[in-house]
Amino acid sequence: EDQVTQSPEALRLQEGESSSLNCSYTVSGLRGLFWYRQDPGKGPEFLFTLYSAGEEKEKERLKATLTKKESFLHITAPKPEDSATYLCAVQGPGSNYKLTFGKGTLLTVNP
Amino acid sequence: NAGVTQTPKFQVLKTGQSMTLQCAQDMNHNSMYWYRQDPGMGLRLIYYSASEGTTDKGEVPNGYNVSRLNKREFSLRLESAAPSQTSVYFCASSAQSSVQHFGDGTRLSIL
Repeated sequence: EDQVTQSPEALRLQEGESSSLNCSYTVSGLRGLFWYRQDPGKGPEFLFTLYSAGEEKEKERLKATLTKKESFLHITAPKPEDSATYLCAVQGPGSNYKLTFGKGTLLTVNP
Repeated sequence: NAGVTQTPKFQVLKTGQSMTLQCAQDMNHNSMYWYRQDPGMGLRLIYYSASEGTTDKGEVPNGYNVSRLNKREFSLRLESAAPSQTSVYFCASSAQSSVQHFGDGTRLSIL
């Protein structure tokens, strides 16, 4: 059974204070690891997909990295508008494209 | 640019009542999904449809039924609502790339 654990559950940063969110996973044959952002009252919004260990992707102040056991979402010099819940999900083997999600990290960036 | 549209946005039911949650996507995606999101539980897959004409159970299917009406529409039905089904329900769709795109959810309360 695929499992995803995200830490910390909540993170409070000051504007400009860089940090990282962690996503540890267990899956037999990773097809892809996904990062989403979710704002209050909204659905998850896709950020990145990572497919193999060593892969990195960047978007503005966010950078996602992947190893064989975990992924990190690095946030550089965050701004208040980066406040959201960040979700990690994995896709295992098979052709049905099912995702297993972690519980998320609630990020708050104070001005 | 609608993407995934869910109706209604909010609903209050009494125990034992039935209702259908509607979902439509305009991205010509083959696959569609229904999730529920509860505090501390993360997103859990209820049912999915890999292609038009097929549906399969996810992690938490009990108490729900689905219909893939056509390529665009995927509905979720609660035949006899229970308080344990109080949740936020999200519909998603994906193409072969497997990136899932989400609607903004239906907030359902069952009294």
